[in-house]
Amino acid sequence: DVKVTQSSRYLVKRTGEKVFLECVQDMDHENMFWYRQDPGLGLRLIYFSYDVKMKEKGDIPEGYSVSREKKERFSLILESASTNQTSMYLCASTSGGTSGANVLTFGAGSRLTVL
Amino acid sequence: GQNIDQPTEMTATEGAIVQINCTYQTSGFNGLFWYQQHAGEAPTFLSYNVLDGLEEKGRFSSFLSRSKGYSYLLLKELQMKDSASYLCAGMDSNYQLIWGAGTKLIIKP
Repeated sequence: DVKVTQSSRYLVKRTGEKVFLECVQDMDHENMFWYRQDPGLGLRLIYFSYDVKMKEKGDIPEGYSVSREKKERFSLILESASTNQTSMYLCASTSGGTSGANVLTFGAGSRLTVL
Repeated sequence: GQNIDQPTEMTATEGAIVQINCTYQTSGFNGLFWYQQHAGEAPTFLSYNVLDGLEEKGRFSSFLSRSKGYSYLLLKELQMKDSASYLCAGMDSNYQLIWGAGTKLIIKP
């Protein structure tokens, strides 16, 4: 019954390493999102995509990039990981349209530690 | 600026009722969402309000007052499994979500 799958639940990387976080959804959703979740803060949007090969910056895109080559897959890339990118990363998807009632379906999260 | 405020932590007793409040300031308004997140798990959708009033879904209800920029989530007949964080999110005029930091609800026997 899993609908949004994040490839890695836990990762430990070293400063300067390139990190790929993969997200796949099986609901044929147009919209996909990457958030980070830190204690004491609300979810912060990193990047989102409304269509294949399309991407939009969210509130905190610095240090990140994304790729969406297929509708079901949205990847988050940290070109050179830094310790301040240690966080929980959540992928989410929703169907198209700008209805306010569009509900996000989240993955279980990827907890990244950068040493 | 845009902002969502909710209490950091609340404690309640099994079988009781608890109300989690959320105040919001958004640029325009397209609705207010509540999500539940158990520790180590994905947030899951609980409710969406765009009109004033109370929406009831079983043991959970959500209320919205647009004039006051205020919402609450009401949980009745609390069960131990309700121990979780509850996330409030407002949707602005661009259909972007502004998230609160979440309220951690602790249920005691």
